[in-house]
Amino acid sequence: EPEVTQTPSHQVTQMGQEVILRCVPISNHLYFYWYRQILGQKVEFLVSFYNNEISEKSEIFDDQFSVERPDGSNFTLKIRSTKLEDSAMYFCASSDPAGGDSPLHFGNGTRLTVT
Amino acid sequence: RKEVEQDPGPFNVPEGATVAFNCTYSNSASQSFFWYRQDCRKEPKLLMSVYSSGNEDGRFTAQLNRASQYISLLIRDSKLSDSATYLCVVKGLSGSARQLTFGSGTQLTVLP
Repeated sequence: EPEVTQTPSHQVTQMGQEVILRCVPISNHLYFYWYRQILGQKVEFLVSFYNNEISEKSEIFDDQFSVERPDGSNFTLKIRSTKLEDSAMYFCASSDPAGGDSPLHFGNGTRLTVT
Repeated sequence: RKEVEQDPGPFNVPEGATVAFNCTYSNSASQSFFWYRQDCRKEPKLLMSVYSSGNEDGRFTAQLNRASQYISLLIRDSKLSDSATYLCVVKGLSGSARQLTFGSGTQLTVLP
């Protein structure tokens, strides 16, 4: 079964550093997403991406965040200047273009630890 | 009212038991509904979509009541491997056709 893959599985960085989280969505999917989950809290939407542009973003997704699809397969989330409160699991997801009720398929996540 | 509300549990049940989880959502215009399961420190995995007529997948039965804005999941003959957190997920709740809103999850532990 095709799956969403994310790298690295764990990233440790110092406050103020830039990090890039990488994702390879399922190949025939056209909608891409980033979600995050702070330890012990619910999964929260960050951003959705379609047709090479952001389609929606949440209040969490401020100017320190950016997303990019640099080639035909990768989808990245960049955090420019990390803060302690950015420590969380970051999940990439993708869905196919079949319709609004198509489910999202999540990658195995990147655990980001900001020290 | 919270957007997607679930009883956090924990539910501790013996193997073979039947357990039911409930979920309510705040926006009657919400479009699609799902149950995901999440194992500790893992990604959410789709368990099943929830359809208006109710649907069943093996030991799992999902129901939707749009009038009451209520979703349920029933697990019959529970197995040790069912131990996980069950996430009620609503698409379109925030007005976006594709954005998912997650509940906080209900923790289930199936005991031998």
